[in-house]
Amino acid sequence: DTGVSQDPRHKITKRGQNVTFRCDPISEHNRLYWYRQTLGQGPEFLTYFQNEAQLEKSRLLSDRFSAERPKGSFSTLEIQRTEQGDSAMYLCASSADDLGQGFTDTQYFGPGTRLTVL
Amino acid sequence: GDSVTQMEGPVTLSEEAFLTINCTYTATGYPSLFWYVQYPGEGLQLLLKATKADDKGSNKGFEATYRKETTSFHLEKGSVQVSDSAVYFCALNAGNNRKLIWGLGTSLAVNP
Repeated sequence: DTGVSQDPRHKITKRGQNVTFRCDPISEHNRLYWYRQTLGQGPEFLTYFQNEAQLEKSRLLSDRFSAERPKGSFSTLEIQRTEQGDSAMYLCASSADDLGQGFTDTQYFGPGTRLTVL
Repeated sequence: GDSVTQMEGPVTLSEEAFLTINCTYTATGYPSLFWYVQYPGEGLQLLLKATKADDKGSNKGFEATYRKETTSFHLEKGSVQVSDSAVYFCALNAGNNRKLIWGLGTSLAVNP
């Protein structure tokens, strides 16, 4: 079990550029989540996949944001035409059924990708 | 909507002191409750969890009990160490929507 990995760990970009982040979940986990965290705040939910299906998207996720999980394994989060307000830590988490716990998910997090938009 | 309220930090303690970080929640249904910890420069790690009323989660000397009557999940440790210095987040998962709802985090600094 190598844990959740994210790439890159840091990204500095200029306003208006597009950026793409990758998340590799724990291999047997079928659920994958993206969150965003700004300084001094708790994480905010962005979107969620079960296998390859994107089942929920937050209203925080503007049309400039898109996420995919094409084969139900790794996921990408793309931000188009970045703005300074997009600067944050982007967190990925994965989970699997907690057997016997019903719908309870225990989510395991990657190290995050820190985005700085200049 | 669902929400989590944590005591504000920063909290500064001396080594071997008793720690309590308060967490209360508002949720429809029967949420699962979690404490995550974020050490400096690292990602979020699950510290402990509880899935139903009166459950006690415990790990690394930390404990929290799911109190439905007071809608609370306070984190406690009897004797903190310098290595416990981190930011602690309380969170809930209220079921079918699957996303975690988070508190703002409480920063803990333990001095030798």
